[in-house]
Amino acid sequence: DGGITQSPKYLFRKEGQNVTLSCEQNLNHDAMYWYRQDPGQGLRLIYYSQIVNDFQKGDIAEGYSVSREKKESFPLTVTSAQKNPTAFYLCASRNIGVGLAGNEQFFGPGTRLTVL
Amino acid sequence: AQSVTQPDIHITVSEGASLELRCNYSYGATPYLFWYVQSPGQGLQLLLKYFSGDTLVQGIKGFEAEFKRSQSSFNLRKPSVHWSDAAEYFCAVLLSGGYNKLIFGAGTRLAVHP
Repeated sequence: DGGITQSPKYLFRKEGQNVTLSCEQNLNHDAMYWYRQDPGQGLRLIYYSQIVNDFQKGDIAEGYSVSREKKESFPLTVTSAQKNPTAFYLCASRNIGVGLAGNEQFFGPGTRLTVL
Repeated sequence: AQSVTQPDIHITVSEGASLELRCNYSYGATPYLFWYVQSPGQGLQLLLKYFSGDTLVQGIKGFEAEFKRSQSSFNLRKPSVHWSDAAEYFCAVLLSGGYNKLIFGAGTRLAVHP
C-alpha cells in the first residue's frame, strides 16, 4: 500500500541535542511538507519542498532544517536552536500537476518529540 | 490575513445525536476547503473537501459539509454520531498557487457520551 511513514513514533531528546525525524513516502508525490502541532494551535508549517534539492521556509522555520536529496524522503532536523521543540510533528505530501486533485495533502502518522 | 476560525474548542454529544462543527474562514479568493479528523496520537485523515460546484459535499464516515460563501463558513455535519467519531476535527483553507499552503483552524475536540 502506498503511504507516508514517519519514524520514530516517539522520540526523546536532551536539551542541546539535535535530532532528525524521518519522513518517507512511496506515493510518488512531488511536494512534501513538515508541520508542527501544539495543543490548541492547529498545525503550523515548518518547511516545504516541491522538488528534489529545493525547499522553502514556512511560518516557523527557526531552529529547524531539512533536506530533499531524494523524491521520496524529506527528513527534518530539530536543532538545539529551537527553543521549545516538544511537540507533535506531521509530515505531508501531495502530487503536483494533477489538477484539483493535486490540492489535497496526505499526512503521515506523526512523531511525538519530547525534550527532557 | 487569511485565517480559519473554529469557535468551539470542545463539544460533547450523546451517541446517536446530530452534530455540527463550525468553521469560518477569511480568504479573499475562491476558497478550497477541507475537513480533517485526527484520532489521539495519529495523523490527519481527510473527511471531505470543497473545490467548486455543489456547495453541499459528502465525505467519508457519513459526514457532510456545506459551503456558504455569504457567511464565509464551511460547517461539518453528521446526522447521527457514533462513539468512534470521538476525535479532533480540523478545518483548513488552501491558499492556492505557489506552494499550496494550508491554513488550519485550532481544532474542535469531540467527545461522545454513550
